[in-house]
Amino acid sequence: EDKVVQSPLSLVVHEGDTVTLNCSYEVTNFRSLLWYKQEKKAPTFLFMLTSSGIEKKSGRLSSILDKKELFSILNITATQTGDSAIYLCAVAGAGSYQLTFGKGTKLSVIP
Amino acid sequence: DTGVSQDPRHKITKRGQNVTFRCDPISEHNRLYWYRQTLGQGPEFLTYFQNEAQLEKSRLLSDRFSAERPKGSFSTLEIQRTEQGDSAMYLCASIPWQGGDGYTFGSGTRLTVV
Repeated sequence: EDKVVQSPLSLVVHEGDTVTLNCSYEVTNFRSLLWYKQEKKAPTFLFMLTSSGIEKKSGRLSSILDKKELFSILNITATQTGDSAIYLCAVAGAGSYQLTFGKGTKLSVIP
Repeated sequence: DTGVSQDPRHKITKRGQNVTFRCDPISEHNRLYWYRQTLGQGPEFLTYFQNEAQLEKSRLLSDRFSAERPKGSFSTLEIQRTEQGDSAMYLCASIPWQGGDGYTFGSGTRLTVV
């Protein structure tokens, strides 16, 4: 059975801090790993990673995948209060593209 | 709006009643997924359609749950004889046949069973 474990489960930081969110996984026939941001609604897509060692970057957010060690990290630099959300990591196996999610990391950024 | 639409946004129902939710995927996406999310958990896969064919169902999908996608366009998820444990956010997502750069999720239907 596919499994995704995220850590920490919650995190409180001050504006301007840099945070690193962790995601480890076990999946049969790995296809991709995805990061989502969820506020009080549906998840919104951040990144999809398929190749090991290649960093994806969007503004202050970046992510990298290590397929050998089966984990990924999501970095957020110079955090802002608008970054407060739950960050979800998911993996897709081959075939149906069904996603297996972790429980998420709840990030709170305080002024 | 060219995103994934879900209706209703919120539903409150009494235990034992039947409820039906609707999802309209992005028109060119032929893969459609239903997920359920409870408080403090990530979304959990329920079922998946490729066009009108239901190709996979999770063991979470008890006999009280049924999903359809007639004509391969919109989909419905029905829950019969609702229980309090069915209270959750029900999310629909779609992707094109070849996968693509991440799912597009709808805004979800929040079900509360009282």
